[in-house]
Amino acid sequence: DSGVTQTPKHLITATGQRVTLRCSPRSGDLSVYWYQQSLDQGLQFLIQYYNGEERAKGNILERFSAQQFPDLHSELNLSSLELGDSALYFCASSRQGRNEKLFFGSGTQLSVL
Amino acid sequence: GENVEQHPSTLSVQEGDSAVIKCTYSDSASNYFPWYKQELGKRPQLIIDIRSNVGEKKDQRIAVTLNKTAKHFSLHITETQPEDSAVYFCAASIGGSYIPTFGRGTSLIVHP
Repeated sequence: DSGVTQTPKHLITATGQRVTLRCSPRSGDLSVYWYQQSLDQGLQFLIQYYNGEERAKGNILERFSAQQFPDLHSELNLSSLELGDSALYFCASSRQGRNEKLFFGSGTQLSVL
Repeated sequence: GENVEQHPSTLSVQEGDSAVIKCTYSDSASNYFPWYKQELGKRPQLIIDIRSNVGEKKDQRIAVTLNKTAKHFSLHITETQPEDSAVYFCAASIGGSYIPTFGRGTSLIVHP
């Protein structure tokens, strides 16, 4: 167990809908990262937060947004869902968010039908 | 081209053989190179990492080498075991950020 908690584990929804994925980092970790993993794809970086502030942005679509709350948990919001958004979404956390070990959650498997 | 290229995409070996996975990166400012192992249906987990001030690092049966001049780094697994079967991802921090950019992964299959 990495100490990073992601909910829900599975999510099935329809095109055009909106969903929220939740992540609680390890105790003491200030930085949260979101990654998308599709079939035959690597881990695509979406966005990083550090202590409540956005620190870095990757290949995140405009239909997606995220935030990190004062208690350091984070939420990833995906809207106007398309079939191609079906993927495994991982949250990871680290202490300071700079060149250090990432601890991954177990992921949320999103299926858009 | 991709910021981090990883080869091969699939590697099949017999138990006891060695396995080598290679990655190249484009950003000469990259200074942190982790390797993650993802077993089927599980989360990625860090197995070893190396920083740019070191050329080689070992941890039991695994080792990583870094050639900053050539901008490539490799993972070496000796005496492979069936439980080493997994997808291995290399990563490097790209563009002056501290965010790991991952390669596409190598599926390692160790046959008993």
